[in-house]
Amino acid sequence: GAVVSQHPSWVICKSGTSVKIECRSLDFQATTMFWYRQFPKQSLMLMATSNEGSKATYEQGVEKDKFLINHASLTLSTLTVTSAHPEDSSFYICSAIRLTGHTEAFFGQGTRLTVV
Amino acid sequence: AQTVTQSQPEMSVQEAETVTLSCTYDTSESDYYLFWYKQPPSRQMILVIRQEAYKQQNATENRFSVNFQKAAKSFSLKISDSQLGDAAMYFCAYRYNTGTASKLTFGTGTRLQVTL
Repeated sequence: GAVVSQHPSWVICKSGTSVKIECRSLDFQATTMFWYRQFPKQSLMLMATSNEGSKATYEQGVEKDKFLINHASLTLSTLTVTSAHPEDSSFYICSAIRLTGHTEAFFGQGTRLTVV
Repeated sequence: AQTVTQSQPEMSVQEAETVTLSCTYDTSESDYYLFWYKQPPSRQMILVIRQEAYKQQNATENRFSVNFQKAAKSFSLKISDSQLGDAAMYFCAYRYNTGTASKLTFGTGTRLQVTL
């Protein structure tokens, strides 16, 4: 149990286009989902906290208008990178915490985004 | 603000031997969780072990155990009988227990190599 599916696993897009990444909790309801960015050989950097039915909370320095987060249901959160540029190329990971039992976070497999 | 420090960027251990990864953290809270996550080359984050701060007993999961020193704010991971599959990045993480979901704060990671 406690599976988080992230899609796509990798994506290549052209500069100026938008890309949507989905994060789904497959077998549990997630009250909260988190979006992270990870640069090569570095730790996970929290971008935003997503709560179902409300606006996401962004970390300092993260552009809200560039990284749009929608948490439409208890099992789905999406991250849209708008007007992508090469510097947005990175590895993006989502995680989810169960509605009941708020101890551990479960992670998606990540999305490698390359902007050309 | 909470911080998590991993002072060992890289560690190496021979197969079947034991290795200890260090982690210290800083918090003014008394109720929190600590985690060790493993990130293999696939980059999927995998929970290795979890410790609740209110528990004095150190957590163990098969070959993995922790040495939790609350007063010293130290949370080291011991891997016994190391296996080739243990090679990965290991991240120590802290999470404040607010009763609702709260974010994870990660350390910078320790890359573990396992040699024959």
